Amino acid sequence: EVQLVQSGAEVKKPGESLKISCKGSGYSFTSYWIGWVRQMPGKGLEWMGIIYPGDSDTRYSPSFQGQVTISADKSISTAYLQWSSLKASDTAMYYCARLGNIPGVDYFDYWGQGTLVTVSS
Amino acid sequence: AIRMTQSPSSLSASTGDRVTITCRASQGISSYLAWYQQKPGKAPKLLIYAASTLQSGVPSRFSGSGSGTDFTLTISCLQSEDFATYYCQQYYSYPLTFGQGTKLEIK
Repeated sequence: EVQLVQSGAEVKKPGESLKISCKGSGYSFTSYWIGWVRQMPGKGLEWMGIIYPGDSDTRYSPSFQGQVTISADKSISTAYLQWSSLKASDTAMYYCARLGNIPGVDYFDYWGQGTLVTVSS
Repeated sequence: AIRMTQSPSSLSASTGDRVTITCRASQGISSYLAWYQQKPGKAPKLLIYAASTLQSGVPSRFSGSGSGTDFTLTISCLQSEDFATYYCQQYYSYPLTFGQGTKLEIK
């Protein structure tokens, strides 16, 4: 069974750093792109970026380029999303999700349960 | 970036009704369109990809159609568990983009 299990909720102060995780199981982790999607409170879905754990090739949405860093550790089948300096506007639910493993299959077929990040002074 | 516009933004319906949600792309995307369902407090769930292909395990009352710029999601006979928010997503080109969502509520 394919599963993506994300790390737990976080409460941080503005200016702090954070790294959240997404652990894949039940499939070949290195063969599928993993993406991150933001959902601000009461709002819609926004694609942030993707990573191919096999070679760490990464693509970012222009809206998030330079604001976050996506990485992966294939030895433990885990992808990460990190911030170096959080802002209150980073308060949101963050989902990881798996994309297809062939070109053109860039929809999300499996999703993690979400990690709620709250940034408040 | 390709802009995806859904209509309506919200919709009230009753169980047993047939409902249709529309998604329009700002440029042609062939059939590179997916639909997701999201219930409150839950992660989105893939319903349809390639505009009209039902994801495994999704009930057949869900169907999708369209190509180019105009797409529809139809639920043929609403069940209580279908009241949720629905999103379209284009994967024709990067950046991947979602529609703003359509909230389906009980009348």
